[in-house]
Formats: sequence, structure tokens, C-alpha cells
Amino acid sequence: KNEVEQSPQNLTAQEGEFITINCSYSVGISALHWLQQHPGGGIVSLFMLSSGKKKHGRLIATINIQEKHSSLHITASHPRDSAVYICAGRGGADGLTFGKGTHLIIQP
Amino acid sequence: DAGVIQSPRHEVTEMGQEVTLRCKPISGHNSLFWYRQTMMRGLELLIYFNNNVPIDDSGMPEDRFSAKMPNASFSTLKIQPSEPRDSAVYFCASSLLQGASGYTFGSGTRLTVV
Repeated sequence: KNEVEQSPQNLTAQEGEFITINCSYSVGISALHWLQQHPGGGIVSLFMLSSGKKKHGRLIATINIQEKHSSLHITASHPRDSAVYICAGRGGADGLTFGKGTHLIIQP
Repeated sequence: DAGVIQSPRHEVTEMGQEVTLRCKPISGHNSLFWYRQTMMRGLELLIYFNNNVPIDDSGMPEDRFSAKMPNASFSTLKIQPSEPRDSAVYFCASSLLQGASGYTFGSGTRLTVV
């Protein structure tokens, strides 16, 4: 059974801080997704990674396949980045296995 | 494209009633997924379809739940009879096969069974 572990569960930081959210996954997972869920509830796909690193604006996602570990970084964090960030893995089947999510609050 | 469209956005129903949730995937996407989100269990895969064919329904909680995809542009998730523990947000998502382009989620249906 595929498993995804995320940390931290909750994170509060000041505006401008560099944010890191971590995700570890099990052997069967071949691609890693980072999702963002805002207080309104909608889910947005941020990144899909199977190797290396991707960057979009202030968001950076990395993956280490050997260590089965991925990180999501936010540079120059802003209150509008406040959301739940969810790591999800895709294995042989096409459906995703989700982490519990990280509740991020950026205070002005 | 308008994205993945789910309806209704909110549904409140009485225990024992039948509930039908609807989803229109992105045109051209050939995989469709139904997920459920609760406070206790987070996001869970219920069932997914490839090319309108159900591939894995092992996440469907019990026989009260059923899903269909009669064509490439429409899917339903039905609960009959509904129970209070079915209260959750149900998300539909679509992708190209194997999720190669990532997933697009609908806005979700918030179901409350009283």
C-alpha cells in the first residue's frame, strides 16, 4: 500500500520568511504531486515531479528519488500563501495517495 | 476550458435519501477520479475511470456508493441510502491517462446528511 507522510502538520511564520514543507513517500510511488487548498476549499495542482526540481514564481519543489523525499519551498512568503499544502503520490495505479496536509499561516 | 465542473456545490439531505453528485471533466482528459475529504481521514480516492471504464473502486466505502461514467464528458457518484457519516466534501478530478499532465480538480460538492 502506498504511503505519504508530510511534515510539519501546522506551520505559522512571519511574512517574508522562507518556508519548507517536507514529504516522504513509500517505495511504490513513482510521481509526486504538490497541491494547494485554500480556505474556500478549492484544490489547485502546483507541481508534478518524478525527478529533479521545478520552480513557479516563489514556489520551488524538489524531489530526491533515492531518499524518497520531496520538499516544497516558498520564498519571500506572503499572507496570501496561507493555505493547506498537500503532498500526494501516484504509484502504479493512477489514483493519488494523499498526505495529511500542512496548514500554513503567514502572518503580516 | 471551464475546468472540471461539479454540481451541486452544496447538498443537504436527510438520512436515507438518495444523493447524486455530478462531474464534467475537462474535454480531452481520459481519466476521471472521485475523491472524498473529511476532517478525520483527509483526502481519499473513492474510484477512478480510464476511458469511461472503472479501473479501481476499492476505495468505495460500501455498497451504498456507486459511480458511473456513461460517456467521456459526464460522471455521477450516487449514495443510496445516505447516512450522516457520508457528510464530507466530494471532489472530482480529471487528467490525461497516467496523470502525465497533472490533475485538475473540481470545486467540490459539500454534502451534509442530517
